[in-house]
Amino acid sequence: AQSVTQLDSHVSVSEGTPVLLRCNYSSSYSPSLFWYVQHPNKGLQLLLKYTSAATLVKGINGFEAEFKKSETSFHLTKPSAHMSDAAEYFCVVSPRGAGTALIFGKGTTLSVSS
Amino acid sequence: EAGVAQSPRYKIIEKRQSVAFWCNPISGHATLYWYQQILGQGPKLLIQFQNNGVVDDSQLPKDRFSAERLKGVDSTLKIQPAKLEDSAVYLCASSPKTGKDYGYTFGSGTRLTVV
Repeated sequence: AQSVTQLDSHVSVSEGTPVLLRCNYSSSYSPSLFWYVQHPNKGLQLLLKYTSAATLVKGINGFEAEFKKSETSFHLTKPSAHMSDAAEYFCVVSPRGAGTALIFGKGTTLSVSS
Repeated sequence: EAGVAQSPRYKIIEKRQSVAFWCNPISGHATLYWYQQILGQGPKLLIQFQNNGVVDDSQLPKDRFSAERLKGVDSTLKIQPAKLEDSAVYLCASSPKTGKDYGYTFGSGTRLTVV
């Protein structure tokens, strides 16, 4: 079965410090992987996606993620947190690529303090 | 490019009443999904359409939920009768059928409160 596990339900950082949100996946196929962000009372916004090209993926707002097949991980990082980064982050797998349903992790709440 | 349109944005109903949600996907997107997002959880797939045919409805509570996608474009999701545990945000998304454009796009959702 395909699944994603977000290892932290809540991460707290100070503004200007690095962000690390951890995600492990399980997939029988060569997966596509995504990170989505959801601000309070807002829709889901795609941060970045891995679709079997470069293993280091750069996204919007300074976020990036590295696909590590040997570790079945797809951790999200940002060098310096900003107050506006406070939101819910979802790691997502699409087990069979385009046109197939997405499987969401349970989410990680990122809090940023000044 | 216009996004995925959903209506209404908010709905409050009493338990045992019925409710319907509407979704208009991005033009040309063959695949349409309905997801349910309960507060504090990630979205969960309810049903997936490919054009006007159902691909996956294994997690749809068919005793109370129904969905259709007439003519392979717009879609409606209905709940009848609603239960308290149906309170959630209902998200519609669309994507191309094939190709390397993994262009999943989500609508803003309909927030349903059942009282």
